[in-house]
Amino acid sequence: SQWGEENLQALSIQEGEDVTMNCSYKTYTTVVHWYRQDSGRGPALIILIRSNEREKRSGRLRATLDTSSQSSSLSITAAQCEDTAVYFCATDASGSWQLIFGSGTQLTVMP
Amino acid sequence: AQTIHQWPVAEIKAVGSPLSLGCTIKGKSSPNLYWYWQATGGTLQQLFYSITVGQVESVVQLNLSASRPKDDQFILSTEKLLLSHSGFYLCAWRGTENTLYFGAGTRLSVL
Repeated sequence: SQWGEENLQALSIQEGEDVTMNCSYKTYTTVVHWYRQDSGRGPALIILIRSNEREKRSGRLRATLDTSSQSSSLSITAAQCEDTAVYFCATDASGSWQLIFGSGTQLTVMP
Repeated sequence: AQTIHQWPVAEIKAVGSPLSLGCTIKGKSSPNLYWYWQATGGTLQQLFYSITVGQVESVVQLNLSASRPKDDQFILSTEKLLLSHSGFYLCAWRGTENTLYFGAGTRLSVL
């Protein structure tokens, strides 16, 4: 799982496998963002799940949200080499200007 | 379509020297703008945000300052660089549901 000041976590899988990354957050949020960051580039939003949703799908991506445990997950089905990147979850403390990012997960998909 | 441009792409600077990084956004009127810093292998730390020209709020104190001289421009600067300033600086504008759209970033190495 990712959060806080922990160092970047790393996952390494084979192409075609499924993978799930987890995220825990500390304060109430109205939405959980998942961003992907390719090496040397800025992060980009890949999926967003609202507090009234338990699951959200987009192509091979699936996000879940459990507000009672303040946790979210991002799953990638049949991962491909081009899915190699760092994945961050982020939340916004309600009423705040601040988007708080998790510590990130470095996903490496090997051929 | 909105575009965000950061300059320079990379900088190598000496400890104690000044720094100025820039960010310009086009195609978005009165954007909310953000500066984030990322250490190598680290998460994204919000530094500053600005909701209008001339108004900047600081989130963390890192001996850096920011200014918003124009509606579409956000500047990050310091008069005296420290080794700890090394990292990746990212500018972003805020869209709906607090989604952040990042620029390509500036890689800073302080020697």
